[in-house]
Amino acid sequence: SQQGEEDPQALSIQEGENATMNCSYKTSINNLQWYRQNSGRGLVHLILIRSNEREKHSGRLRVTLDTSKKSSSLLITASRAADTASYFCATDGGANSKLTFGKGITLSVRP
Amino acid sequence: DTGVSQNPRHKITKRGQNVTFRCDPISEHNRLYWYRQTLGQGPEFLTYFQNEAQLEKSRLLSDRFSAERPKGSFSTLEIQRTEQGDSAMYLCASSLAPPDYGYTFGSGTRLTVV
Repeated sequence: SQQGEEDPQALSIQEGENATMNCSYKTSINNLQWYRQNSGRGLVHLILIRSNEREKHSGRLRVTLDTSKKSSSLLITASRAADTASYFCATDGGANSKLTFGKGITLSVRP
Repeated sequence: DTGVSQNPRHKITKRGQNVTFRCDPISEHNRLYWYRQTLGQGPEFLTYFQNEAQLEKSRLLSDRFSAERPKGSFSTLEIQRTEQGDSAMYLCASSLAPPDYGYTFGSGTRLTVV
């Protein structure tokens, strides 16, 4: 079963604009992670935020986590055509758990 | 280390045949995971190993599926008597444990059952 649900399912923006993607989940987590997948390829880890953290930055990425609302958001600033991909949030329940992925968001960045 | 390696990249097989996929994880990673992904969906968990021990198997993993990780290094995933519904991308990932680390995924093996 898939725990995370991303919103929107698809997003199309112009190069240079910011892209905001949301993820909601159902059960308690140890951490939440975001991954990117280019068409037909494996997933690439982008960023991890622990349950006791509220915000984290990595380059053009900013992720927030609200455990009271069981939700997270990923912001990509100053988007580029190369950011076109599918983005997945994944939740980790703890040391003896595994990542559970959502269905993903398709981001298209128009040049 | 060149990351997680999966072979073959593509496999076309006839219904009823057996197939085996191989995954070579990052050498210092003691955890290895198998996921399955169909078009338009997120990866679905199949099973994972810590060293050579298989710690969890999904209910998705029917008795036609078996995975091994001998000596805690590479892993194989075998599907017996393949069905058309087995057509998917099979992804392998590895990580350090405890997993407050991200996973490193391979490029996947795309299986087509005809």
